[in-house]
Amino acid sequence: EAGVAQSPRYKIIEKRQSVAFWCNPISGHATLYWYQQILGQGPKLLIQFQNNGVVDDSQLPKDRFSAERLKGVDSTLKIQPAKLEDSAVYLCASSFGGADTQYFGPGTRLTVL
Amino acid sequence: AQSVTQLDSQVPVFEEAPVELRCNYSSSVSVYLFWYVQYPNQGLQLLLKYLSGSTLVESINGFEAEFNKSQTSFHLRKPSVHISDTAEYFCAVTTNTDKLIFGTGTRLQVFP
Repeated sequence: EAGVAQSPRYKIIEKRQSVAFWCNPISGHATLYWYQQILGQGPKLLIQFQNNGVVDDSQLPKDRFSAERLKGVDSTLKIQPAKLEDSAVYLCASSFGGADTQYFGPGTRLTVL
Repeated sequence: AQSVTQLDSQVPVFEEAPVELRCNYSSSVSVYLFWYVQYPNQGLQLLLKYLSGSTLVESINGFEAEFNKSQTSFHLRKPSVHISDTAEYFCAVTTNTDKLIFGTGTRLQVFP
């Protein structure tokens, strides 16, 4: 069974530029999550989708971050414009929902200079 | 609101020695508890989880954790570690929703 796919794996940009990350969840998983993991910290949930609807985006900085999950499968997370403090690993996860196990992708390491 | 505390940021240990990684949580309602492991340059992988039933849960690679409701703890243990166990370990909690709250992680470093 294929796991959660993410691209790119690494991205370096300058502050005020924009960047986008892509995630393809495990087939059949209705719930998709984006997490931000800053160095030395645990992952923090940014946004959660159930199919193509947003369940929780309370910790998403909506002035610069946006995410979508068209057709309830793939998802993209965008940052525009990026700030230095956005440097982190962005993790995508998927599950069947509820307390079911969340399966994580390898992450995208973003460096903002 | 729920929270997770991992008191030890780093745990150095020699190969074949026992290890315990501590995790305490705070919640006013019933919880589900998880341990995830993150190897270098990889995503998080589920190690084990407690949902209900037996308070002692085990993983396939020799780790175990015990849910202690009175002490609000879910410590991870292994009687004999290997070099390959070197990784970052994250404790996480959720309630009747599926929003995971992670601790700050414990880096386990196994020396030969």
